Amino acid sequence: TQLLEQSPQFLSIQEGENLTVYCNSSSVFSSLQWYRQEPGEGPVLLVTVVTGGEVKKLKRLTFQFGDARKDSSLHITAAQPGDTGLYLCAGLPYNFNKFYFGSGTKLNVKP
Amino acid sequence: DADVTQTPRNRITKTGKRIMLECSQTKGHDRMYWYRQDPGLGLQLIYYSFDVKDINKGEISDGYSVSRQAQAKFSLSLESAIPNQTALYFCATSDFGVQGRGAEAFFGQGTRLTVV
Repeated sequence: TQLLEQSPQFLSIQEGENLTVYCNSSSVFSSLQWYRQEPGEGPVLLVTVVTGGEVKKLKRLTFQFGDARKDSSLHITAAQPGDTGLYLCAGLPYNFNKFYFGSGTKLNVKP
Repeated sequence: DADVTQTPRNRITKTGKRIMLECSQTKGHDRMYWYRQDPGLGLQLIYYSFDVKDINKGEISDGYSVSRQAQAKFSLSLESAIPNQTALYFCATSDFGVQGRGAEAFFGQGTRLTVV
């Protein structure tokens, strides 16, 4: 059983559409990270959210940390083919000992 | 040069063989991790280490062992490889997370291992 559940698992959309990816847990985290992974490469950090209710924006990407620090969302506005990849969320518990990763959302943006 | 370097990048090995995957880092981090990635399962933690004398089992440590030779080096061994260990393996490092800032994991480029 995954500690962090991501949905949807797969997403195939047309260029210009908007989308939201969800990361949910029954556990509370001190912070939550979002990573993006391209084929043949390791995951690369996009953002860290550390405060309940926090919203961070990275160009067309908007990240939100739930008030209860158990969930997060990633919203992409006007998706582009360059956004294609695997998006992973990861939670860091309060003992800061290790990261718990979600199962990932595979996004394909068609031109 | 990459901050986290894994060798080899690709490896095909036979069932029953012992194989070692190596990881070195120039980030200066104390914490190092080995993850396995299978399609649809995200990243599963195999082992992690907080310093040279500290080794901890992760979620799926059976069939694997590790060695932390130095702060910068952390190797993963498959004692007797089996086909269901075919997967993508990642090494990662991180700093010590603190309240209000969290922590970031830096990943190597991965080793694609095939056991036939």
